[in-house]
Amino acid sequence: QKEVEQDPGPLSVPEGAIVSLNCTYSNSAFQYFMWYRQYSRKGPELLMYTYSSGNKEDGRFTAQVDKSSKYISLFIRDSQPSDSATYLCAMSEGNAGNMLTFGGGTRLMVKP
Amino acid sequence: NAGVTQTPKFQVLKTGQSMTLQCAQDMNHNSMYWYRQDPGMGLRLIYYSASEGTTDKGEVPNGYNVSRLNKREFSLRLESAAPSQTSVYFCASSSGTGGSPLHFGNGTRLTVT
Repeated sequence: QKEVEQDPGPLSVPEGAIVSLNCTYSNSAFQYFMWYRQYSRKGPELLMYTYSSGNKEDGRFTAQVDKSSKYISLFIRDSQPSDSATYLCAMSEGNAGNMLTFGGGTRLMVKP
Repeated sequence: NAGVTQTPKFQVLKTGQSMTLQCAQDMNHNSMYWYRQDPGMGLRLIYYSASEGTTDKGEVPNGYNVSRLNKREFSLRLESAAPSQTSVYFCASSSGTGGSPLHFGNGTRLTVT
């Protein structure tokens, strides 16, 4: 079993829909949680960054962390065709070396 | 605002050839990383350098070597390329403090025939 599990999709939604992307993990030592967005033939770019449990909102994006359930989510409101990309969750224990463990990514397609 | 710059963008090698992938960052970051990304396997860490002068193995180091040339530059070398090393390679950097996010370059697409 992988340390971080993420449904690969693809997830296809109509423009304007609310999108929910999720990851589960097994390592209870993870404290830092990130979402990256990766467009085709580009590198991952940091979208959201949270520490410990709770919610964080940035424009149309909301990240949620539930450490008790070992479950993190990314919500996208009013989805746009430009949101079509692969979304990667990543997490870290925050120790020396600062290595991240990534989920495999979920491919999202937002249709006009 | 260059961020993390990788060269080359594309490369085709024959089995047994060698090459070096170059990476430079202009964010004054302490830590640098090399990942490979393969379909169905996600991002896997090859090597990392927590600070200038140090390097450590990641999850999949076999067949690779690295050099942290200075604070800005971190190179990845394939001494004798194999078809299994066909992949997209990403360099990343971070401030190195606990939990700090990584910033990625746009990758090198390598094909080994």
